[in-house]
Amino acid sequence: QKEVEQNSGPLSVPEGAIASLNCTYSDRGSQSFFWYRQYSGKSPELIMSIYSNGDKEDGRFTAQLNKASQYVSLLIRDSQPSDSATYLCAVNLTEGGKLIFGQGTELSVKP
Amino acid sequence: DGGITQSPKYLFRKEGQNVTLSCEQNLNHDAMYWYRQDPGQGLRLIYYSQIVNDFQKGDIAEGYSVSREKKESFPLTVTSAQKNPTAFYLCASRPSKGGGGNTIYFGEGSWLTVV
Repeated sequence: QKEVEQNSGPLSVPEGAIASLNCTYSDRGSQSFFWYRQYSGKSPELIMSIYSNGDKEDGRFTAQLNKASQYVSLLIRDSQPSDSATYLCAVNLTEGGKLIFGQGTELSVKP
Repeated sequence: DGGITQSPKYLFRKEGQNVTLSCEQNLNHDAMYWYRQDPGQGLRLIYYSQIVNDFQKGDIAEGYSVSREKKESFPLTVTSAQKNPTAFYLCASRPSKGGGGNTIYFGEGSWLTVV
């Protein structure tokens, strides 16, 4: 089992819809979780971090964490064509300092 | 400006050659990381360092080497033992030794191509 798993997509949604991105992880002791956005040929940029069970909202983005199910998700409301990118889930493992990324989900928002 | 500087941005390597990618940060961060990204794939951890003069292997360390002689510098050498080195290489840093909730910051990346 991979340490961090995401559906590779592509995920296609119409403009204005909600995009839902999912991530599961294997290290039950993990405490810190991150979502990054990466445009083609560019380095990743942080969208959100989440550390506690439940929801965390920032503008159009909501991160959801369920440690019991070892599951973290990202919802993007009112999706825009500019949101089209690859979204990477990252998990800080209990092995100190080791930050592991999933394979990324490609999102396409159609006008 | 504060940040992480990677160089060169583009590098071509002949088979059998060793090449070194530079990564410098002026953020006073303790921890530094090297990731490799292949087309359409996520980031895979090569090496990471939480403190000067110490570093650990990541998931794909074979064929790579690093050093951490200074806090601000974490160069990556791609050796001839790495049989398929063509990829996008990303250097990153974060403030905390233990990681925790500290955000990781990325450089702009280096493209390595074998010719």
